Amino acid sequence: ETGVTQTPRHLVMGMTNKKSLKCEQHLGHNAMYWYKQSAKKPLELMFVYSLEERVENNSVPSRFSPECPNSSHLFLHLHTLQPEDSALYLCASSLRTSGRADTQYFGPGTRLTVL
Amino acid sequence: GQNIDQPTEMTATEGAIVQINCTYQTSGFNGLFWYQQHAGEAPTFLSYNVLDGLEEKGRFSSFLSRSKGYSYLLLKELQMKDSASYLCAVSNGANNLFFGTGTRLTVIP
Repeated sequence: ETGVTQTPRHLVMGMTNKKSLKCEQHLGHNAMYWYKQSAKKPLELMFVYSLEERVENNSVPSRFSPECPNSSHLFLHLHTLQPEDSALYLCASSLRTSGRADTQYFGPGTRLTVL
Repeated sequence: GQNIDQPTEMTATEGAIVQINCTYQTSGFNGLFWYQQHAGEAPTFLSYNVLDGLEEKGRFSSFLSRSKGYSYLLLKELQMKDSASYLCAVSNGANNLFFGTGTRLTVIP
């Protein structure tokens, strides 16, 4: 248990559905992240929020929409996805400090399948 | 751009020592991380190096050479539970992590 929880753990959706992934951290961190993990590919950073403000968006398609209402919660809203979006979506959090890189703590992920 | 390379798969025997290498080319460097990820589970933090040299933590050690863009993770006294993927990740100056594809380690009896 890393202190970062994600729901649901598994999700199957059609291309016309709308769904949301939820992440919650209980570590008192001030930065949260969404990553995509596909088979045989590196983890891809999708979004970064620091102090609830989005600071990074790595050219992710607009069918993925993040929301960070407070420092403990992060959502990823999904709509009109494509089959190639099927992957493991990982949430992470960290405590932003000056001088050294943050250690990120990951949740268990949501396994998404788009039919 | 960012480029991080590590072997795709390795196999080692229980009780032995294995070294997993990682080479990187990144714009900006603020440290290198190793994570362990068991199948279907979250990546978990193993080590962080920002200065050259060896960091030892129990059975696991991690080494960094910034001038060579090179790191390795050393696992001693291998156990069956060490079978997992090992992810090398580099932090750039903006504190974002860039990952390699991971090395899947299989420990055999």
